[in-house]
Amino acid sequence: DGGITQSPKYLFRKEGQNVTLSCEQNLNHDAMYWYRQDPGQGLRLIYYSQIVNDFQKGDIAEGYSVSREKKESFPLTVTSAQKNPTAFYLCASSRTGTGYNSPLHFGNGTRLTVT
Amino acid sequence: ILNVEQSPQSLHVQEGDSTNFTCSFPSSNFYALHWYRWETAKSPEALFVMTLNGDEKKKGRISATLNTKEGYSYLYIKGSQPEDSATYLCAFTGSSNTGKLIFGQGTTLQVKP
Repeated sequence: DGGITQSPKYLFRKEGQNVTLSCEQNLNHDAMYWYRQDPGQGLRLIYYSQIVNDFQKGDIAEGYSVSREKKESFPLTVTSAQKNPTAFYLCASSRTGTGYNSPLHFGNGTRLTVT
Repeated sequence: ILNVEQSPQSLHVQEGDSTNFTCSFPSSNFYALHWYRWETAKSPEALFVMTLNGDEKKKGRISATLNTKEGYSYLYIKGSQPEDSATYLCAFTGSSNTGKLIFGQGTTLQVKP
């Protein structure tokens, strides 16, 4: 079955350490996205990529970095510059960019706790 | 930053009740409005993608309407069942920000048996 795999499900890190969250899809989707969820807030866009080797900042990109070297993979690195990294992170993909009416398919998320 | 508002924030209904909730979005530069259902311990799943003013979509007991001129969409659930308990998210894409989907904070529905 096609889908999106995020790993790990739970991640614990010490403050000051960089950490990379994995996101892989086998849906052959062009576009991929990273969202962050905090309690009482909607999903906020961190980064998105509409094609391999290209990506754009979302609304809260500071302290994060991404790469899109392969169509299937869109890893997110949470750097030590991110002031409040503890959150639930969701990866998603769509057949084309959402500007073309394509619905998002989501992974199961990674809960990151930084102490 | 564009704002998408959902109301109410949470809702408790009895099994069999019909219910509806609202998503408000900018009425200018509209491109598409998405609805997602997010059940606990699962990933969000797409319900509808709506693009045309006056659009109505239906999936089983769930339906949605769209008014792009006034900037709102309604989601209706007819005869709610306990398995409808979830958070319902709407998200907006404007023609000026293709590739960026702006989410509301969601409406959490609890259906009591």
